[in-house]
Amino acid sequence: EAGVAQSPRYKIIEKRQSVAFWCNPISGHATLYWYQQILGQGPKLLIQFQNNGVVDDSQLPKDRFSAERLKGVDSTLKIQPAKLEDSAVYLCASSFSTGSYEQYFGPGTRLTVT
Amino acid sequence: GQQVMQIPQYQHVQEGEDFTTYCNSSTTLSNIQWYKQRPGGHPVFLIQLVKSGEVKKQKRLTFQFGEAKKNSSLHITATQTTDVGTYFCAGPGNNDMRFGAGTRLTVKP
Repeated sequence: EAGVAQSPRYKIIEKRQSVAFWCNPISGHATLYWYQQILGQGPKLLIQFQNNGVVDDSQLPKDRFSAERLKGVDSTLKIQPAKLEDSAVYLCASSFSTGSYEQYFGPGTRLTVT
Repeated sequence: GQQVMQIPQYQHVQEGEDFTTYCNSSTTLSNIQWYKQRPGGHPVFLIQLVKSGEVKKQKRLTFQFGEAKKNSSLHITATQTTDVGTYFCAGPGNNDMRFGAGTRLTVKP
């Protein structure tokens, strides 16, 4: 079974630039999550999708972050414009459905904003 | 949403020593999950506990869920260098699982 795919793996940008991350979840998983993990901290949920609908985006900084999952499969997360404090690993995860199902994480995208 | 607190933040042990990390909540949890993240890697699901007082074992790892379902622990017997990483507990949020800050384990050979 293929795991969660993410790209790119690494990205370095200057502040005020834009960046986009892509995630392809495990086939058949209805729920997709985007997390931000700052070095030394636990994953912080940014947004959660159930199919192509948003379940929770309460911790997404909507003035600069946006995400979509138009066809209910793969998803993109965008930051525009980036700030220095956005430097982190952005993890995508998927699960069979919402709630307390096991989450499968992708390898993450390490973003450095200079 | 529900917040879970983990202690200690860091733990450094000699290979062969035991290790325990604790996860605490101020409210009752319907369930709790544990994940391991190797250095430079991504979190990997270890186990889910659901029942009050539940104890589950995976080789040298023992997971416990408290009787009041407000705390949980992960105990590793006779640590090995392969146990290095950060161990996270996660408790239910509104529609998802919310992660603790993790306990980072280092093992000296």
